[in-house]
Amino acid sequence: AQSVTQPDIHITVSEGASLELRCNYSYGATPYLFWYVQSPGQGLQLLLKYFSGDTLVQGIKGFEAEFKRSQSSFNLRKPSVHWSDAAEYFCAVGGNQGGKLIFGQGTELSVKP
Amino acid sequence: GAVVSQHPSWVICKSGTSVKIECRSLDFQATTMFWYRQFPKQSLMLMATSNEGSKATYEQGVEKDKFLINHASLTLSTLTVTSAHPEDSSFYICSARTGQGVTDTQYFGPGTRLTVL
Repeated sequence: AQSVTQPDIHITVSEGASLELRCNYSYGATPYLFWYVQSPGQGLQLLLKYFSGDTLVQGIKGFEAEFKRSQSSFNLRKPSVHWSDAAEYFCAVGGNQGGKLIFGQGTELSVKP
Repeated sequence: GAVVSQHPSWVICKSGTSVKIECRSLDFQATTMFWYRQFPKQSLMLMATSNEGSKATYEQGVEKDKFLINHASLTLSTLTVTSAHPEDSSFYICSARTGQGVTDTQYFGPGTRLTVL
């Protein structure tokens, strides 16, 4: 079955600290992987995506993610979190299915001053 | 970047009435749009795929007679919740793809909060 698992429902980090949000996927074909961020009142914004090539992907707002095929993971990282990063983060997987995406349950990030 | 809008942002209706939600791609043409439903503190669940000029493709378990989707132009898709009931209360989100290639990005609207009394 195709699925995405984000093991952490809620994470709290201090401002300036590093961040890693976990994402594991199950997908029968070549996966295309995405991280989106959702802030209240705003639509999901694409942070970064991986289709092929370099397994370390750079995104917007200082985020990066690393695709590890052997671990079926696509974890999101940021070296220094800002208070404005507090939001809900979704990992998603898609493939050659007309653009359909499967989303994880989301991880809510809180940032302590 | 590409912008997708939704209207209305929120709507409250009485049980038994129908509600229409619009999804527009403002600065690009979208052959394919998607409709999602999101419950509080939960993930986005794909309801249907909307292709311009053809019938929508619904995901398993989604009632197509309940959730009518019309993709009348390359920039507009509408979702009509017919005979809405309290259990239809949810956050509905649309997205639009910039193309048909597997690497084309999906852009999301801000969502519509539906409350059925």
